[in-house]
Amino acid sequence: NAGVTQTPKFQVLKTGQSMTLQCAQDMNHEYMSWYRQDPGMGLRLIHYSVGAGITDQGEVPNGYNVSRSTTEDFPLRLLSAAPSQTSVYFCASSYSTGDFTEAFFGQGTRLTVV
Amino acid sequence: KQEVTQIPAALSVPEGENLVLNCSFTDSAIYNLQWFRQDPGKGLTSLLLIQSSQREQTSGRLNASLDKSSGRSTLYIAASQPGDSATYLCAARAVRLTFGEGTQLTVNP
Repeated sequence: NAGVTQTPKFQVLKTGQSMTLQCAQDMNHEYMSWYRQDPGMGLRLIHYSVGAGITDQGEVPNGYNVSRSTTEDFPLRLLSAAPSQTSVYFCASSYSTGDFTEAFFGQGTRLTVV
Repeated sequence: KQEVTQIPAALSVPEGENLVLNCSFTDSAIYNLQWFRQDPGKGLTSLLLIQSSQREQTSGRLNASLDKSSGRSTLYIAASQPGDSATYLCAARAVRLTFGEGTQLTVNP
């Protein structure tokens, strides 16, 4: 089973460049989210979606855009990359947001902005 | 705002030792609590999920407990092995998952 798939695994960007981090899940999960992981700060929620066509901001949304046109895909766009966005990005999905809900994570995208 | 704290931040033990990792959360209105394992440079692997109505869950040598009223969860690892070396993260779910910063475990042969 593929689960949650993130691409690319590694990326180096120059300041000001834009890019899209891809996330796809094959479990028919309604809830998807993006986190960034930084040393000493744990995982922080960037954006999330409770279903196709519905997105909302998390804890650290500035500089990022998302859209959810299908249940399977939830891309994260960096509009104008900054060194502060150097981080490891994780995509997660779950069946819902309530009880009996287990979250599944992708393998991460390691992004460096120079 | 939910805050999740994990103690200790790092732990080094000899192989074979039984150990306890602690997780505390400030808002007891959670749906569930999930424990993850993260190996260096890798993603998060789900270990155990405890529903709000449950007290504990077991998987092999792992046992996780949940006390909502006191805002605490513990992960018990029996007979630790070098392969258990990793960072262990707990996450409390209301609508969103809130993570602790993790406990970095090293099991020495």
